[in-house]
Amino acid sequence: GQSLEQPSEVTAVEGAIVQINCTYQTSGFYGLSWYQQHDGGAPTFLSYNALDGLEETGRFSSFLSRSDSYGYLLLQELQMKDSASYFCAVLTGGGNKLTFGTGTQLKVEL
Amino acid sequence: NAGVMQNPRHLVRRRGQEARLRCSPMKGHSHVYWYRQLPEEGLKFMVYLQKENIIDESGMPKERFSAEFPKEGPSILRIQQVVRGDSAAYFCASSPGWENTEAFFGQGTRLTVV
Repeated sequence: GQSLEQPSEVTAVEGAIVQINCTYQTSGFYGLSWYQQHDGGAPTFLSYNALDGLEETGRFSSFLSRSDSYGYLLLQELQMKDSASYFCAVLTGGGNKLTFGTGTQLKVEL
Repeated sequence: NAGVMQNPRHLVRRRGQEARLRCSPMKGHSHVYWYRQLPEEGLKFMVYLQKENIIDESGMPKERFSAEFPKEGPSILRIQQVVRGDSAAYFCASSPGWENTEAFFGQGTRLTVV
């Protein structure tokens, strides 16, 4: 089976940088994805890493180390609207099965 | 260009009744996934379907739960004889092809069993 670990809560101030870590144990690893969810709404895709290294998309970056079974999501220039839950998810099964972590609730304060 | 559409958004059922949740994938998407989310928890994979085929149902409870994605019309997740433990948010996601590197989720159906 698959298991993922990420912190349950992170608090940061507006304008700061925050890193949310994710470690995973899985078989048939295909890639690591990150999703954002506001107040139980629709999860929205943020990023996907299939290879080692950093992927940058605007204020958000995601990193993957396959050898360490580890990844992180980096959020820069935090804004109040970034307060949400962030989920890492491993993609397995040849690329179609997403298994989600339990999520990290990010609180951005003034 | 509508996204993934789920209905109803909220559903209340008495214990023992049936719940039917519908999901229309994004235009051009033929792969549908159903997830269940309990409060303060992550999304748990239930089933993966393509048109007229169940590809992976390893996350579906063996009893009372079934899913279909007919040639025409939305995908349906059916829960028979609901119990209080079925109360959760059920999300549907779709992707255009086999690789689910970017899943598009609907707003979910919140099922409450009373």
